[in-house]
Amino acid sequence: SAVISQKPSRDICQRGTSLTIQCQVDSQVTMMFWYRQQPGQSLTLIATANQGSEATYESGFVIDKFPISRPNLTFSTLTVSNMSPEDSSIYLCSLHSSSYNEQFFGPGTRLTVL
Amino acid sequence: DQQVKQNSPSLSVQEGRISILNCDYTNSMFDYFLWYKKYPAEGPTFLISISSIKDKNEDGRFTVFLNKSAKHLSLHIVPSQPGDSAVYFCAASAHTGNQFYFGTGTSLTVIP
Repeated sequence: SAVISQKPSRDICQRGTSLTIQCQVDSQVTMMFWYRQQPGQSLTLIATANQGSEATYESGFVIDKFPISRPNLTFSTLTVSNMSPEDSSIYLCSLHSSSYNEQFFGPGTRLTVL
Repeated sequence: DQQVKQNSPSLSVQEGRISILNCDYTNSMFDYFLWYKKYPAEGPTFLISISSIKDKNEDGRFTVFLNKSAKHLSLHIVPSQPGDSAVYFCAASAHTGNQFYFGTGTSLTVIP
């Protein structure tokens, strides 16, 4: 299975600021995914990040709020911009294994916005 | 619109007994289903999966049952162990895409 690391593991931020979450994978992958899990809710896909092209955002998520970078095949960042308390959530990066037909997840970043 | 639902947010079971976690879905295009387990401060980890061509898949203490006509799947853990205490998510996907749709999770507590 893939090893996925995320930084930071948690953060407490002030309203109006931005936070960039980093995701590092131990193997080269074409597609990486960013999920959000708000308290008491399911894992929701934010966007799909392909290396070499712009990220594809799901309904309800926009690039201005959640800009994503994908500079190479092992790394991606998600920025949560102009944060509000509603952005308090766990953010997870993920990759899909076609060999195993499953999704592997990073440990998550727990964000609290005051 | 929640396409995958887990209607029980929590479940408590005595050690050694059977744990049954349920999941319902609405999209008839889903043909692949997975269960994930999540401990606090960790990302979800894959537990067991089932394809729509089967109605049962077993892996050790874990068995997943799929009822396509009812659009329902369940995870059975027997015997339950205290280390099984975690949040369990069911997920579904359609062969046409890579996206997985997740339920809201069921928090299982196995009481020693």
